[in-house]
Amino acid sequence: AQKITQTQPGMFVQEKEAVTLDCTYDTSDPSYGLFWYKQPSSGEMIFLIYQGSYDQQNATEGRYSLNFQKARKSANLVISASQLGDSAMYFCAMREGWFGNEKLTFGTGTRLTIIP
Amino acid sequence: EPEVTQTPSHQVTQMGQEVILRCVPISNHLYFYWYRQILGQKVEFLVSFYNNEISEKSEIFDDQFSVERPDGSNFTLKIRSTKLEDSAMYFCAGGPAGKDEQYFGPGTRLTVT
Repeated sequence: AQKITQTQPGMFVQEKEAVTLDCTYDTSDPSYGLFWYKQPSSGEMIFLIYQGSYDQQNATEGRYSLNFQKARKSANLVISASQLGDSAMYFCAMREGWFGNEKLTFGTGTRLTIIP
Repeated sequence: EPEVTQTPSHQVTQMGQEVILRCVPISNHLYFYWYRQILGQKVEFLVSFYNNEISEKSEIFDDQFSVERPDGSNFTLKIRSTKLEDSAMYFCAGGPAGKDEQYFGPGTRLTVT
């Protein structure tokens, strides 16, 4: 089974609208962390947000928030008030284990296009 | 704000040649990683490095690959005899002690012809 599943290969969203990018995960480890990265066309991987499995509150970073539903094993990224510069590939990733420095396993990504 | 840097940004090499990809992690990072991304595909873990030794490696990281941190700042990935299928973007990443974030460098695009 895939550890990280991103079911939306592509999304088109009108500028200024909110957008939700889906991510589900599969792990039996009680300690894990979930990450979202943005990859613009230039290729770099930009860290956006992190949620630990024991965090009680959903993570937020500016316009980004992570809708963490532990029982459903989902960690959706919400971008509020989308901007043209948000057009990029978005990857969900997970680390598993207690130390916090374990490797990341990535999903296949969602290509987000913001329409003016 | 400090950043992870990688050189070169793009390398073209012939099949069978050795390549060395270089990374300068952020100074307070203790954990280092190499990942690769074949064009149009997802990012895959290659190897993690801590305290001057490999802590984990993937199936991809076979005998053709090696890593080292020769001088306490640079972190290198060597591919001894490149194959066509090694063509990919290679990312170096680092993480500080006590935190879960991993920060990626801009990547080196390796093209094997």
